[in-house]
Amino acid sequence: AQSVTQLDSQVPVFEEAPVELRCNYSSSVSVYLFWYVQYPNQGLQLLLKYLSGSTLVKGINGFEAEFNKSQTSFHLRKPSVHISDTAEYFCAVSDLLQGAQKLVFGQGTRLTINP
Amino acid sequence: ETGVTQSPTHLIKTRGQQVTLRCSSQSGHNTVSWYQQALGQGPQFIFQYYREEENGRGNFPPRFSGLQFPNYSSELNVNALELDDSALYLCASSEPTRSTQYFGPGTRLTVL
Repeated sequence: AQSVTQLDSQVPVFEEAPVELRCNYSSSVSVYLFWYVQYPNQGLQLLLKYLSGSTLVKGINGFEAEFNKSQTSFHLRKPSVHISDTAEYFCAVSDLLQGAQKLVFGQGTRLTINP
Repeated sequence: ETGVTQSPTHLIKTRGQQVTLRCSSQSGHNTVSWYQQALGQGPQFIFQYYREEENGRGNFPPRFSGLQFPNYSSELNVNALELDDSALYLCASSEPTRSTQYFGPGTRLTVL
């Protein structure tokens, strides 16, 4: 079974600074990878996804992620963050279970942007 | 295009009671998955429905059950509620044979 490790539970950064949220997954076989964002008291919003093709994936709100198969990583980056980026970020991998495509999530990284 | 919707938004129940949560999938999506997100944790897969049949279940007891209707909407039922069932319950829908899941806003269940 797949597993996901988000290496930082909390990441504080100053506004307009760059940020990287780290994610490692367990499997060496072909995977589908996702980053979701969760604002307070809301559901999950898809930021970006890697299904195949280019290893650099661009998403919404200026975020991007790089798929690295050899390091089994899918780190999320943004060159300049805003106060509105304050949220919980979840990395997820798709896994097949009894015919169902389920998502396996990491524990989340709380991104806090300070003015 | 309407996204995934869930009802109710919040719910308070007592131990031993039963609860039903509802989900309407995004237009064109025939697969619905349910997840439980405990406070401070990532979501955990409960089960998935496709063509009105359960086609995969995570590590949850049988008192968690579900239904999918011909219009692809879905229900999650939980019997004999326990305190640990307090969580945010998320519904996600996806297109046939697609891996990308789109989530609703969730239902916050509190068990007292």
